[in-house]
Amino acid sequence: GAGVSQTPSNKVTEKGKYVELRCDPISGHTALYWYRQSLGQGPEFLIYFQGTGAADDSGLPNDRFFAVRPEGSVSTLKIQRTERGDSAVYLCASSLIWAGGPDTQYFGPGTRLTVL
Amino acid sequence: QKEVEQNSGPLSVPEGAIASLNCTYSDRGSQSFFWYRQYSGKSPELIMFIYSNGDKEDGRFTAQLNKASQYVSLLIRDSQPSDSATYLCAVKTGMNQGGKLIFGQGTELSVKP
Repeated sequence: GAGVSQTPSNKVTEKGKYVELRCDPISGHTALYWYRQSLGQGPEFLIYFQGTGAADDSGLPNDRFFAVRPEGSVSTLKIQRTERGDSAVYLCASSLIWAGGPDTQYFGPGTRLTVL
Repeated sequence: QKEVEQNSGPLSVPEGAIASLNCTYSDRGSQSFFWYRQYSGKSPELIMFIYSNGDKEDGRFTAQLNKASQYVSLLIRDSQPSDSATYLCAVKTGMNQGGKLIFGQGTELSVKP
């Protein structure tokens, strides 16, 4: 596609429920990132995929958060037993890994998660 | 100390003026620096990146990097009301391809007509 897409755009759930957020990166981008952004703050890194594998998951806050990218393209961020503190905008970004300079990350529109 | 710090603002400038946005970072191993613009309710949009000391110009935007002072800035010349947004500074450690960005909290810019 032309840009990074994310679904759903909005998700409202109840405390304790399970949610899945989907990201479809720019075609051909091998690197995929998940961030989350709270109001008034910059995006906070969660996890980074290079191909199918998680190259860096140091930003996942706890074991309720998990992400997969089974075929090296679409990724799903999964949150178990959601808590009100999980409410934020979840941003996905992708980048093209190349030899010519720093790779630049392009962001999708985000999924606004609200946990009631 | 936060890894990447920005004045949260708001920074208010009149139309046509130069807006100066500043960012400091703590990790001396940082190699790549990015400026993103974020309109209210939208996702970050890349403006430009810089990784060598000095200035880099792109249209009305100039990024300045001083690694010795651990300081990066963004100048916007001839500011327009459409430039009103939050500007995010982001830093990447290392020149390896891939890897997380560490963001500042953003500076809100308001350009008054």
